[in-house]
Order: sequence, then C-alpha cells, then structure tokens
Amino acid sequence: DAMVIQNPRYQVTQFGKPVTLSCSQTLNHNVMYWYQQKSSQAPKLLFHYYDKDFNNEADTPDNFQSRRPNTSFCFLDIRSPGLGDAAMYLCATSHSGYQETQYFGPGTRLLVL
Amino acid sequence: LAKTTQPISMDSYEGQEVNITCSHNNIATNDYITWYQQFPSQGPRFIIQGYKTKVTNEVASLFIPADRKSSTLSLPRVSLSDTAVYYCLVVPTGANNLFFGTGTRLTVIP
Repeated sequence: DAMVIQNPRYQVTQFGKPVTLSCSQTLNHNVMYWYQQKSSQAPKLLFHYYDKDFNNEADTPDNFQSRRPNTSFCFLDIRSPGLGDAAMYLCATSHSGYQETQYFGPGTRLLVL
Repeated sequence: LAKTTQPISMDSYEGQEVNITCSHNNIATNDYITWYQQFPSQGPRFIIQGYKTKVTNEVASLFIPADRKSSTLSLPRVSLSDTAVYYCLVVPTGANNLFFGTGTRLTVIP
C-alpha cells in the first residue's frame, strides 16, 4: 500500500561527510519534492522535479543537491552536512502541479554528529 | 504569494467540534486553499481543499466566505487521534513555491 517510501527512516552522519537520502514512489506522479523540516517548524521546500526538470528554491543552500534518475526515484544529496542540517527530510509527490494534492513520505530524520 | 496566519495552538475536549481559522488577506483570484494534517514524526497528509463557499469530505469541512480572505477548517467530534499540527496553505496557479505557514497545534484532551 505504500505510495511514497523514504529510506532510511533515520540516518546518522558525521559533520562534513556526504550523505544521500532516497525516495521512491509507486504513484507514477510527475512531480517530486524535497522538504526540510526542523523541530517545531513548518516544512520548507528545498527543490522539486517536474519530470526531469529541476527547480531549485532561491534560498536552498548549494550544499543540497538532488537527482532523479527515473520517474520513481529521487535522491537528496547533502555534500557536506553541518550541524544545522539536522532535520527531518520529507519527500512528496503530486500528479502534475502545486494545486494538486501532495502525497508525503514518512520522512528521514537526519542526525549530524 | 499569499501568506497565511493561523493560531499557534488550540485545545479541545474529545467529542467537540473544532474550528481552525486561517487568514489569507492577499489571496489571488485563482488561488486554492488547502489544509494538511501532520502527526509527530510523519509527513503531512492532505485533508481538504477548496476554492469558495463550502467543501465537505469524510474527514472535515472547509468554509470559505465570499471575500476569500479567510477560511475555516471544521473537524466534527474530535478524538484523541486528531491531536496534530494543521497547516493552511494558499496555492496559486502556476506557482513555483509552496509555502507552509506556522500551523496550528491542536491538542485533544480526554
């Protein structure tokens, strides 16, 4: 029944050590999103893919990159994690646009030591 | 981009109806109003979306007055499992950003 799957659910990395978070979807949706959510804050959009077209939010740090090798998978790469990057990272999908329902995964909680 | 304002928190007893109001004074003609629910350590979940007047589904109702400068999410007969954060979003047509406001933390008390 799982529609948006995120692995792992918890990830521990060291300061400055690259880390990759993964997301897959069984909905065949065109759009995939990555959000960062810090404790007691609202989710903040980092970037999204409309099919293969990458759209970066203006204030997303260069330290964050993303890849979408096919419709089903999307990856979030953090090149040099800092302590401030510890957060929940949420992946979401929608069929074709922002006004449509977004389906969120359970999130990956990242801890940076 | 229309920003939203919601109460930071609300408490309610089980079995009561809860109404959470969201202000969006700068809403544009083609913007939709969408509400999401988020439980701790989970991703947000879509509850309801509307454009004007009233929308109802199996979970909630959404009331939008004629001027569309606010909207009210209504949860009938809440239970303890409705304890969550509720986010109101205004989503413009063709927007290139999706902005979650501060959300309302609803606590249902036995």
